[in-house]
Formats: sequence, structure tokens, C-alpha cells
Amino acid sequence: QVQLQESGPGLVKPSETLSLTCTVSGGSVSSDYHYWSWIRQPPGKGLEWIAYIYHSGAINYNFSLKSRVSVSVDTSKNQFSLKLSSVTAADTAMYYCARESLTGEGYYFDYWGQGTLVTVSS
Amino acid sequence: QSVLTQPPSVSAAPGRMVTISCSGSSSNIGSNYVSWYQQLPGTAPKLLIFDNNKRPSGIPDRFSGSKSGTSATLGITGLQTGDEADYYCGTWDNSLSAGRVFGTGTKVTVL
Repeated sequence: QVQLQESGPGLVKPSETLSLTCTVSGGSVSSDYHYWSWIRQPPGKGLEWIAYIYHSGAINYNFSLKSRVSVSVDTSKNQFSLKLSSVTAADTAMYYCARESLTGEGYYFDYWGQGTLVTVSS
Repeated sequence: QSVLTQPPSVSAAPGRMVTISCSGSSSNIGSNYVSWYQQLPGTAPKLLIFDNNKRPSGIPDRFSGSKSGTSATLGITGLQTGDEADYYCGTWDNSLSAGRVFGTGTKVTVL
């Protein structure tokens, strides 16, 4: 069974950089059939896709966040990571990591982490 | 701001059926496959439907999906109290460099 687990600070100061890591078990970030994504959800609001990374290093970003987002993958640790710079209170959200499968006709998120709440506050 | 529009809420009595619409455009739903996710209170989203109308293993056939033109629909029959949750549609948008997009979300209430 594939499992994803987010880790990182739960509190980040305004203007600083948010850093999160997702550890994958029961599956491999080196898979040819999966992208690895970050998705967030502000309190009481909907889902917002942030970015995905492929094991080759190919990356796709949400255009609205692209200037502040960096993602990376570490195949040796079976992890992938997110950095979001210059955070403000608007970045306060539950952050999820998720696996996106390419094995069907299209793309879909079939496994999700439990999420980690990141609050931006001084 | 989401490019996919869903009704904020739908409700029905136990045992009844509800449908949730997801409206997009030619660059997203009109061109690509749609997936649906269920988010129970306090939990992560869970995949319900992929490739417009396919169910992952373990998802009951009470849940169904369809797509027509630039809209998609999720149906839930035999509504149960355990179905009370938020539901989101998702796809990707060719005008946004294949960026992934989600619907605005629909709260299902079992009366």
C-alpha cells in the first residue's frame, strides 16, 4: 500500500520560506508512471494545486505561484520537497503531497498524504 | 480562483440520489479527462472517479461519473449519512501549460 507523509515546520514567519518534505513508502518516486504533486487547502476553502515533479526532474508549476515555488526530488531517500518563498498570511493552509497516476487515459491523484497545517504568523 | 465551477451545496434524504455538476471550458474539461474526489471532514481527499467514469478498486457503484462537452457530473445513489463530505472535480488545463485544476467544491448534506 502506497503511503505519503508530509513533514516540516507548522509555523513560518511572514517573508520567510516554507519548506516541506514528502516521504513515500510502498512505492517509488522513480516510477515512470507517476508524478509527485503538492496541493494546498486554506482553512475552509477549496483545493489548489501547487506543482508536480517527475523523477527525471521535469516540473510543472501553478502559474500563479511559479515565481515563489521550488520543488525537488531525492530518489535515494524516496522523497520530494517543496519550498515556497516570501510567504504571507495568505499562504496559511493545509499542505498535501499526492501521487498522480498516468496509468489511465488521463491523470488523477490516487494517493494523498494526511496533510500538514502550515500557519504563517509572526 | 478555480476555473471549474461547482454548486456550493446539494442535499437529499437518505436513500435518495444527488448529482454534482462541474462546469469548465474547452481548454480543460472539453479536452481532458475528469476525476472526482471525496473529502470527509478533517481528512485528506480521496479518489472516487478517474478518466471521467472509472471507479478505483473499493469505491462502490453508488458513485458514478460522466462527461459531456465542457461539463462533468458526479452522481451518488442510495445516499448514506457517511457520504456527507465535500466533493471536488479535477482535470488539467491546456491553456495553463497543463496545470492541474480543481473545482470550487460541493458540500453534500444528507437530510
